Amino acid sequence: ELKVEQNPLFLSMQEEKNYTIYCNYSTTSDRLYWYRQDPGKSLESLFVLLSNGAVKQEGRLMASLDTKARLSTLHITAAVHDLSATYFCAVDRGIQGAQKLVFGQGTRLTINP
Amino acid sequence: KAGVTQTPRYLIKTRGQQVTLSCSPISGHRSVSWYQQTPGQGLQFLFEYFSETQRNKGNFPGRFSGRQFSNSRSEMNVSTLELGDSALYLCASSLDPTGGRAEAFFGQGTRLTVV
Repeated sequence: ELKVEQNPLFLSMQEEKNYTIYCNYSTTSDRLYWYRQDPGKSLESLFVLLSNGAVKQEGRLMASLDTKARLSTLHITAAVHDLSATYFCAVDRGIQGAQKLVFGQGTRLTINP
Repeated sequence: KAGVTQTPRYLIKTRGQQVTLSCSPISGHRSVSWYQQTPGQGLQFLFEYFSETQRNKGNFPGRFSGRQFSNSRSEMNVSTLELGDSALYLCASSLDPTGGRAEAFFGQGTRLTVV
């Protein structure tokens, strides 16, 4: 059974600092997603990583995927308060093209001024 | 372009009742998935439909069922509601899970409270 584990689960940072959220998964997959969720809201798609070595950047966020290590990272550069949210990684375990996302527990990120 | 639309946004039901939730995917998207989100269990996959066929099912009891119509709209039904079914139910649609166009877009969710 696929397990997806994120760490840390809670992260309190100061603005302008850098930090990394880690996402480990237990079985082979080459499709990994990062989502953001604000309190009481739905999931907003951040990144789709579809191959080993994939790196994507959007603003202060950068995500990478190492399928050999079964590890994805979400790096936050020079954090700002607006990035406070819960971040989820998800691995696609669907078969024959059918999508089935298995989510990590989420990392609640709080950025303090 | 309209996003994924879920109705209703909030529901309060009594134990033992049944409920039907609706999801309209982004125009042109043919894959619709359903997820349950609770504080204790996190986000869990319920089922996925493509062209009116259920292709994947999660580990939920048979009280949870769904269907997809020819216009790709989907409904999920929960019968004999239990207190533990209280959750945020999220629907996601995607254009094509294969070929690199795998991004899933989520609706705002339906918050179900069972009392």
